[in-house]
Amino acid sequence: DGGITQSPKYLFRKEGQNVTLSCEQNLNHDAMYWYRQDPGQGLRLIYYSQIVNDFQKGDIAEGYSVSREKKESFPLTVTSAQKNPTAFYLCASSWVAGLDTQYFGPGTRLTVL
Amino acid sequence: KQEVTQIPAALSVPEGENLVLNCSFTDSAIYNLQWFRQDPGKGLTSLLLIQSSQREQTSGRLNASLDKSSGRSTLYIAASQPGDSATYLCAVYSSNTGKLIFGQGTTLQVKP
Repeated sequence: DGGITQSPKYLFRKEGQNVTLSCEQNLNHDAMYWYRQDPGQGLRLIYYSQIVNDFQKGDIAEGYSVSREKKESFPLTVTSAQKNPTAFYLCASSWVAGLDTQYFGPGTRLTVL
Repeated sequence: KQEVTQIPAALSVPEGENLVLNCSFTDSAIYNLQWFRQDPGKGLTSLLLIQSSQREQTSGRLNASLDKSSGRSTLYIAASQPGDSATYLCAVYSSNTGKLIFGQGTTLQVKP
């Protein structure tokens, strides 16, 4: 089955902790993205990567970090510098950055305790 | 700055009705416009993608139109079914920013 997987589905973080959200795709897509979704709001872009070993900040990158060491994987770390991290996080991928349909994973819901 | 607006925020219709969801955007410099469906607590599923040079796209009971000059798109759903109940989001790929900009979504409820 081709697609995008995200893990875990639910994640709880204590104040001051860093946590890492996993995103893996087997669609052979070059571009990958991380979005944040808050209740009643649309998706906001955190980071995106067009190729391996390269990534760019989106609109709300502060307090987040990413890496793209493999084509299939694009993990997102939510650092303690992110003051309001409770949200639904969505990973996506596409063939060419922005020009093609983006395929989304099932999401990770992060809650700060 | 590109802004995408979807009205209404919520819509409730009886089963079988034809309906239209609206999306407007402020900057006509776009490569494409996409419509997505999102079920509660789930990821997004792509429904239709309209390139900037196209006027409409159809898939089954869904038809999406694009009027770039007026900054508007509509998603037409024919003969609605309870299984169509979900949140529908539109997004434009901005030529100026190179990013996909999302609207806030319209939550649709189709009552049996």
